Amino acid sequence: DGGITQSPKYLFRKEGQNVTLSCEQNLNHDAMYWYRQDPGQGLRLIYYSQIVNDFQKGDIAEGYSVSREKKESFPLTVTSAQKNPTAFYLCASRLQISGNQPQHFGDGTRLSIL
Amino acid sequence: GDSVTQMEGPVTLSEEAFLTINCTYTATGYPSLFWYVQYPGEGLQLLLKATKADDKGSNKGFEATYRKETTSFHLEKGSVQVSDSAVYFCALSGYNTDKLIFGTGTRLQVFP
Repeated sequence: DGGITQSPKYLFRKEGQNVTLSCEQNLNHDAMYWYRQDPGQGLRLIYYSQIVNDFQKGDIAEGYSVSREKKESFPLTVTSAQKNPTAFYLCASRLQISGNQPQHFGDGTRLSIL
Repeated sequence: GDSVTQMEGPVTLSEEAFLTINCTYTATGYPSLFWYVQYPGEGLQLLLKATKADDKGSNKGFEATYRKETTSFHLEKGSVQVSDSAVYFCALSGYNTDKLIFGTGTRLQVFP
């Protein structure tokens, strides 16, 4: 079955450490997205990418970095500059840049501070 | 800019009650509208969508009608079940844009 796979499901970060969250899709979607969700809150856009080797900042990009070297992969690095990284991180993808296409989501990665 | 406003939760209902979760939007042009559902500890799942005025999206007993005159896309279900307990997000996407605009989510709690 096609879908979006996020790994790991749970991740712990030590002070001063960078960690990378994986997101892979086999839907042949063009666009991919990273969101952050805090407890009881909505989604905030971190980064998104419309094509390989190109990406744009979302609303809360500071302290995060991404790459898009392959169409199916869009890893997110939470750097040590992100002082409050504890949250639920969701990756999504979309078939094309057209308003009537929905985004499809992975099952998320929960990041906590040790 | 574009925005989505949802009713605040939690919405608490008994099993078999009627559900309405209000969603209104502000957008230029003719956006597409979506409802997503998020169960505890999981990602968001697309519940239904509507892409033009007067369209009705439906899935699993849930319905929502795209009302351009009232800029609304309210979610309804005739008889809720305990298994419907989740957080529901309304979202919009303008034509030829690359982002979804999400509401803040409404938590639904259904008790037996």
